[in-house]
This record gives sequence, structure tokens and C-alpha cells, in this order.
Amino acid sequence: ETGVTQSPTHLIKTRGQQVTLRCSSQSGHNTVSWYQQALGQGPQFIFQYYREEENGRGNFPPRFSGLQFPNYSSELNVNALELDDSALYLCASRKGQGFNSPLHFGNGTRLTVT
Amino acid sequence: ELKVEQNPLFLSMQEGKNYTIYCNYSTTSDRLYWYRQDPGKSLESLFVLLSNGAVKQEGRLMASLDTKARLSTLHITAAVHDLSATYFCAVTDTGNQFYFGTGTSLTVIP
Repeated sequence: ETGVTQSPTHLIKTRGQQVTLRCSSQSGHNTVSWYQQALGQGPQFIFQYYREEENGRGNFPPRFSGLQFPNYSSELNVNALELDDSALYLCASRKGQGFNSPLHFGNGTRLTVT
Repeated sequence: ELKVEQNPLFLSMQEGKNYTIYCNYSTTSDRLYWYRQDPGKSLESLFVLLSNGAVKQEGRLMASLDTKARLSTLHITAAVHDLSATYFCAVTDTGNQFYFGTGTSLTVIP
């Protein structure tokens, strides 16, 4: 069983640029969510997709956007990067909308904005 | 917004000792999750607690949930060095959103 994979693992961008992060869900998982984890903090929910539709969003501005594809892979796009966007971005998948299964996390993308 | 608080934030304990990490949350939720994160790594699921009074154990770790008190505990028995990591609890709201605590950084000293 293939787990959640994210790419790239590290990324350095300049303030004002745009970035796209990618995630392949674990096999059989149709729900994917994205989290931002700043250094020394817990993950903060960005948004969630279920069957290609966004069905939950955290307290993040519209310049954070996403997509989920028919194969349940996903993208996180961030426009007009700011220094505070520097963080570890985690993708997590799970099967369906039930709560019996926990989130399965990828290894994350470390984004540095200079 | 649902708030999740953990204490302590930092915990240094000797091998062989017992200790408890506490997780409090601000609104009604019957679902609580515990995760472990090693430095530079992703989060690994430890426990899923889905009802009041739920108790789960794996090795030296035992988690419990009291939904009336809005409290979960993660008890460590006879700590070993391999348990050194950051532990997060998380709860969900009716909208499927997961809210994570700030984490407890555990260091087990030989």
C-alpha cells in the first residue's frame, strides 16, 4: 500500500512569487486536506477536498487555493508569497468522511520564503 | 473556533518513570486523535478515541477520553528513549475540520 507522498520536499521562493505543492493520496483515500505547520507549532488546517470539491476551509486568505483531481491527488497553490508563509506544509488523506480513520500524513514540503 | 490546549508544552523525564500529558479542548467533540512527530518528520497516528470513556493502549502509551470534561490524557509508563518525540492531540468539529494542539515535546533522559 502506497502512503501519502508530497513533492517537492524543500522549496525556496522569493516574497511575491507563487508556489504549487503536490500530494498523492494514499491508495483508496478520497479525502485530502492540507495543513501549515510553523516551527514549534501544531498543524493549522488550510482546507479539505472530498471527491474534487472543497468542503472545509480554515482561517487562511484566498491566496491559498487548492485542487483535487479525479485520481484524488491534490495541489496547494499559494500566490503572492509572504515571509510568514515559511513553514512545513503537510498533506493528509483519509478514506471517506467518517471519523473512524485518522489522517495519514505525507512527509511534507518545507517552504522557505526570502 | 475550537481551541485545543496541551500541557505541559515541554517534558523532560528519566527513563523508567511515568508521566501524563493532558489535552483540553473548548467545545463538544466525541472524537479525539493522538499523533507523534519525530524531528524533521511527518505525523504518525497513535490513537483514535471515538467515545466518552474510550481507552486505548499500545506498548508503553495509553490514551483515554472524557468528553464531559473535554479532556484526553496520554499516559506514559516506564519511559524509554525511543519515546522522545513531540506528541499532538487533535479534535474534529461537525465540519470535519481537525484542530491540533500546540504539541508536547517529550525528551526521555537515560
